[in-house]
Order: sequence, then C-alpha cells, then structure tokens
Amino acid sequence: SAVISQKPSRDICQRGTSLTIQCQVDSQVTMMFWYRQQPGQSLTLIATANQGSEATYESGFVIDKFPISRPNLTFSTLTVSNMSPEDSSIYLCSVAVQGRTYEQYFGPGTRLTVT
Amino acid sequence: AQSVAQPEDQVNVAEGNPLTVKCTYSVSGNPYLFWYVQYPNRGLQFLLKYITGDNLVKGSYGFEAEFNKSQTSFHLKKPSALVSDSALYFCAVRDGDSNYQLIWGAGTKLIIKP
Repeated sequence: SAVISQKPSRDICQRGTSLTIQCQVDSQVTMMFWYRQQPGQSLTLIATANQGSEATYESGFVIDKFPISRPNLTFSTLTVSNMSPEDSSIYLCSVAVQGRTYEQYFGPGTRLTVT
Repeated sequence: AQSVAQPEDQVNVAEGNPLTVKCTYSVSGNPYLFWYVQYPNRGLQFLLKYITGDNLVKGSYGFEAEFNKSQTSFHLKKPSALVSDSALYFCAVRDGDSNYQLIWGAGTKLIIKP
C-alpha cells in the first residue's frame, strides 16, 4: 500500500479566495486522483493527474476552477479557485499503485468550508 | 454503461450478529470489484477486492465478500459484528474503459448496536 498525507486537514476560507491542497505520497505512483465528497455521501471524481502531462478533468469540472499540478511521482496539488459556499466539501487525494491491480489508496482528506 | 448499486442507505445490526452490506454491479467486461470503509472524519480505507479466482475473498478486519457472477453481486459480509464496525461502506468497480478509474456506489451506513 501507499501512505498519503494531505495538507491542510481543514480550512475555513472566504468567498472569492483560493486554496491549494497538497498531496504527498511515500512512494512513486503512476496516477493520482482528486475527489470531492459531501459528508456522508459518495465520491465524485474531479480529475486524474499523471506526472508530466495535463490533468484530465471529469464532466462538470474545469481547469480554471480546479487547476492541478503534478510535478513528480510523489506529489500533487489541487487549487480551488474563486471559492463560493458551494465549494464547501471534503477533498480527497488518492493514488493507484502500479502492479497492485487497480486498487486506490486515499489520503485523510481536506475539509473545506467557504463562508 | 457501467454502474454500481448499493440498495441500502443504512443497515442496522446488533453486536455479535452477522452482517451483510449489499452491492450489485454492471460492467461490460470482467469486473474488478472493491470494498472500502470510511470511519467518521477519516479518509477511505481499502478493505478487499475481487479480481479473479475464488468467489469468496477475505479482507481486513475480518470482512469477506462473495462474488456472484450470475447475480452480478459482490456483497460484503462479516460473521460477527462489532460496534467498531460502524462506518460508511463503499462498493466500487473498475471502469473497463479506463485502467485506473473506479466507479463508486452511493455508500451504505452500517450501524452496529450494542
């Protein structure tokens, strides 16, 4: 498995500002994923991030709103830009470990509240 | 289209009794199936997976799941529930069109009462 950390663990932000969430993995991984989750609900995939290429965004999510960086095989960031209260959610980073038949491992999440 | 269904929003079980959390799926090819657990205010933890082979797979914390191809089901089970098993459980299936993306069920809240 992989050990994943996220920073910050939680934050309260004002409308119109931006927040960058960091995801760090203890080993090199092929793919990283960014999800959004409302408490008690299922996961919604925001984008898939490959090292050295542009992130692939799911329907309803755009790069201008959720820019992603993936500078190396152990690190990624997700920025939530120009935030509104609707962006209040839990943001999860996950990784797919090469050779481990596709299961994903998750970070502890970042709980974001926009006021 | 590929999909996963968890028909129960919530399952209530008395401590010590067996538990089952249901999952059915629809995929175009061979399914890769997963169960995850999320404890309050925590990230998701991988419990177990079915890729191929024995239809009964064993995972973490004493959980197991039974793959049934004819019923397209992958129910999560445990012979004797613990209060500490209370959590949110997600079933997921690998998207055959993507090497790594998972399709997620809606989640089932499991409540174990003492």
